[in-house]
Amino acid sequence: SQELEQSPQSLIVQEGKNLTINCTSSKTLYGLYWYKQKYGEGLIFLMMLQKGGEEKSHEKITAKLDEKKQQSSLHITASQPSHAGIYLCGADTTNAGKSTFGDGTTLTVKP
Amino acid sequence: DAGVTQSPTHLIKTRGQQVTLRCSPKSGHDTVSWYQQALGQGPQFIFQYYEEEERQRGNFPDRFSGHQFPNYSSELNVNALLLGDSALYLCASSLRQTKYFGPGTRLTVL
Repeated sequence: SQELEQSPQSLIVQEGKNLTINCTSSKTLYGLYWYKQKYGEGLIFLMMLQKGGEEKSHEKITAKLDEKKQQSSLHITASQPSHAGIYLCGADTTNAGKSTFGDGTTLTVKP
Repeated sequence: DAGVTQSPTHLIKTRGQQVTLRCSPKSGHDTVSWYQQALGQGPQFIFQYYEEEERQRGNFPDRFSGHQFPNYSSELNVNALLLGDSALYLCASSLRQTKYFGPGTRLTVL
């Protein structure tokens, strides 16, 4: 079974709207990462969260980690077409750095 | 800083052939991990190299092997290619925890 579940699988929003993507782990998290990927390209590092309750922001993107629930959320405020892409959560489920990934959330932002 | 680089960008092989993919890590990074990403899925961990040794391995057969050189660059070798090996192969380098990914090599097996 999938260790990291992302929801929703895909999302279409109007430009300017806010949105949230969720990531839930079935195992203990040693670190939670968010990446963005354009189709067929490499992953662009967005943020890393390590401690329960930790929240980080970069421009209009905010990520939070709920360690007890083994969940993370990624929130985009006032979405823009440049936010479109595939958002992947990844996690270290061992303390030796082996990372697993969710299957991604495809975000489309309509102008 | 060039970031993580991978070569080649695209590759077409036939079943049964062997392939070698290359990765140069971000400057100062000593750990290299390889991932396979099938269409519509998240990356799957193949293995990780540190100090020229395979440190961890995912659920991939022995047809997948690798190497890390003294300058921390790495190669991924796949023998006896199968149609199912067609995927985007991603290399990630790290110094501590955060992994930075290269642009990937798109392998097509015909």
